[in-house]
Amino acid sequence: GQQLNQSPQSMFIQEGEDVSMNCTSSSIFNTWLWYKQDPGEGPVLLIALYKAGELTSNGRLTAQFGITRKDSFLNISASIPSDVGIYFCAGLYMDSNYQLIWGAGTKLIIKP
Amino acid sequence: EAGVAQSPRYKIIEKRQSVAFWCNPISGHATLYWYQQILGQGPKLLIQFQNNGVVDDSQLPKDRFSAERLKGVDSTLKIQPAKLEDSAVYLCASSFLGAAAQYFGPGTRLLVL
Repeated sequence: GQQLNQSPQSMFIQEGEDVSMNCTSSSIFNTWLWYKQDPGEGPVLLIALYKAGELTSNGRLTAQFGITRKDSFLNISASIPSDVGIYFCAGLYMDSNYQLIWGAGTKLIIKP
Repeated sequence: EAGVAQSPRYKIIEKRQSVAFWCNPISGHATLYWYQQILGQGPKLLIQFQNNGVVDDSQLPKDRFSAERLKGVDSTLKIQPAKLEDSAVYLCASSFLGAAAQYFGPGTRLLVL
């Protein structure tokens, strides 16, 4: 079946640092979504990408739809304590009946 | 705009007991999804509804899990009888018809003892 490889699995960063994470697949995707999940809550949609090469920002977050349509990147600039959580990528490929394929998540931890 | 509502937020039961979860999607969202999320993993789709019809339930363990969306709005997911491995977070999500973006509720945390 379809798979998404999300990396890194976890990140320890200092407050104020920039963060980068990515998702890759061997298949072509039509849509990429980035979610953040806080402990005890459901995933919250951060950014949706619909076209190859698309670059979209949401505050300090920027995500890109890879030109090959097989990958996507999420960057967080100047991290703050509330950025802590698990970030998931999810992708939609053609004929998937709108069922998302999910990455395993990137856990962001800010060093005190 | 109200988000996806789920209840209960937490449930503890013993194995072989039954449990039911309720979800009310965002108003106007025709598509509703139930996911199971094991700790440390991404959500796994159990069942997808479009209005009151099932689009896909291929990953639903039908010997013990059932779900319905009778009036095409809110939905219930039932487990009967529960097993230890059913301990997980059950997430409900909804989307507009034909839209990729799914919006999630807070989830129900189930612990089976």
